[in-house]
Amino acid sequence: DAKTTQPPSMDCAEGRAANLPCNHSTISGNEYVYWYRQIHSQGPQYIIHGLKNNETNEMASLIITEDRKSSTLILPHATLRDTAVYYCIVRVGGGYSTLTFGKGTMLLVSP
Amino acid sequence: EAGVTQFPSHSVIEKGQTVTLRCDPISGHDNLYWYRRVMGKEIKFLLHFVKESKQDESGMPNNRFLAERTGGTYSTLKVQPAELEDSGVYFCASSQDFGTMNTEAFFGQGTRLTVV
Repeated sequence: DAKTTQPPSMDCAEGRAANLPCNHSTISGNEYVYWYRQIHSQGPQYIIHGLKNNETNEMASLIITEDRKSSTLILPHATLRDTAVYYCIVRVGGGYSTLTFGKGTMLLVSP
Repeated sequence: EAGVTQFPSHSVIEKGQTVTLRCDPISGHDNLYWYRRVMGKEIKFLLHFVKESKQDESGMPNNRFLAERTGGTYSTLKVQPAELEDSGVYFCASSQDFGTMNTEAFFGQGTRLTVV
C-alpha cells in the first residue's frame, strides 16, 4: 500500500554525504513527505518532514522537487551509526493520519 | 523527558496462551498508535487512540487482539489466544497533533513476541 518507491539498498563511505532518493509520483497536494529510519533492534526514529520547501534540521536535509514527485534525504556527513533502514512516507497533513511504511532503503555506512 | 516505553521487551509464550503488551506514551501525548512487524514483512499499522477513544482500528488483524487505553494514559494490547503467526515486533508510538500542524510520532523500542 506504500505510495513511495525507494532503492532497496545503498552504500556510503563514512564521512561522505549519503543521498537517499524517493519517488512519490502520486502524491496529493495535502500530503507531506516524511522520513523515518530504523536502526537495528530499535523503534523507528523520526528524521524530517516537508511539504514543498526544502527542509533542514540537525540530522538531515530534505530536498523536494518542484513538482513534488520525488525527494532526496541528505545525511551530510554519514557515520557508522547512520547504518539503518530509511523509510520515505507520504502522509496527509493534520490530525489523525497514520504512517504507512514500505520496504525502505537499507543504508550501509562503511569505514 | 521520558520517551515512549514498552513492556516487556521480549515475551515468549506458547500457542493458545494470552499475552498483554503495555505502552506508556510520552506524557501529554493524546495520540497513541500500535504497529507491528512480522518476520520478513513491513511495519504495519494496527490501531490509533486519541486519548481513550479508538480513532482507527482498521489494522487490527482479528478479534483475538484487544487494545485498551483506559483514562487516556497508557495502553495495553492483549492477544488471546496467541497463534504462531502473531510472532513479531510490536511497536507503540505517540504524538501530539495540534489541529492541522504536523508533529512527528515517537516510537518505543518495541516488544518482541515469540509464539511457540
